[in-house]
Amino acid sequence: QVQLVESGGGVVQPGGSLRLSCAASGFTFSSYGMHWVRQAPGKGLEWVAFIRYDGSNKYYADSVKGRFTISRDNSKNTLYLQMNSLRAEDTAVYYCAKDGYGSGSYVHYWGQGTLVTVSS
Amino acid sequence: EIVLTQSPDFQSVTPKEKVTITCRASQSIGSSLHWYQQKPDQSPKLLIKYASQSFSGVPSRFSGSGSGTDFTLTINSLEAEDAATYYCHQSSSLPFSFGPGTKVDIK
Repeated sequence: QVQLVESGGGVVQPGGSLRLSCAASGFTFSSYGMHWVRQAPGKGLEWVAFIRYDGSNKYYADSVKGRFTISRDNSKNTLYLQMNSLRAEDTAVYYCAKDGYGSGSYVHYWGQGTLVTVSS
Repeated sequence: EIVLTQSPDFQSVTPKEKVTITCRASQSIGSSLHWYQQKPDQSPKLLIKYASQSFSGVPSRFSGSGSGTDFTLTINSLEAEDAATYYCHQSSSLPFSFGPGTKVDIK
């Protein structure tokens, strides 16, 4: 079955950096687009970034553009999110999520999430 | 950027009652509208894709309809296990976006 396991969350100071990873299994990783979606404590879902199945195109929410970078290593079945210049408002649970197709559609499956806390 | 609004924000419902949640897009998105259920302390789960296509394994009491800018998620004969927050999501154009959510509580 599909498994998405996020790691790399933790506490970081404002202005700091963090890299999240998502280990995927149970499906042909290189055939599907992948998303990062976040949820601030007690708040709703916010789409963060998407990468096509082959890594050829990457898209970002305006709130993270220029600070976050999504990437993937299809040889390792792993998705990444490099987060720089972190702000307090980036505090959230970050979910790795599998797209229904390769180029951006519904979110098929979600990981359990990893908590990122930006605080001094 | 496409903005999704949901109504109501919150609904308290008796078991076996019918629930209707609406999602409105700020511009036409065809049928590229999807619905998710999130229970407390859990990850979201896909219910409906492309406005009306039920995801495998989802109980038949969940159904979706609509196109263009107006969409509806219907839960027929609500069960206690359906207590959750429901989100709509559009994949018509980037940046993708989610609605603010509708919390359904069981009386």
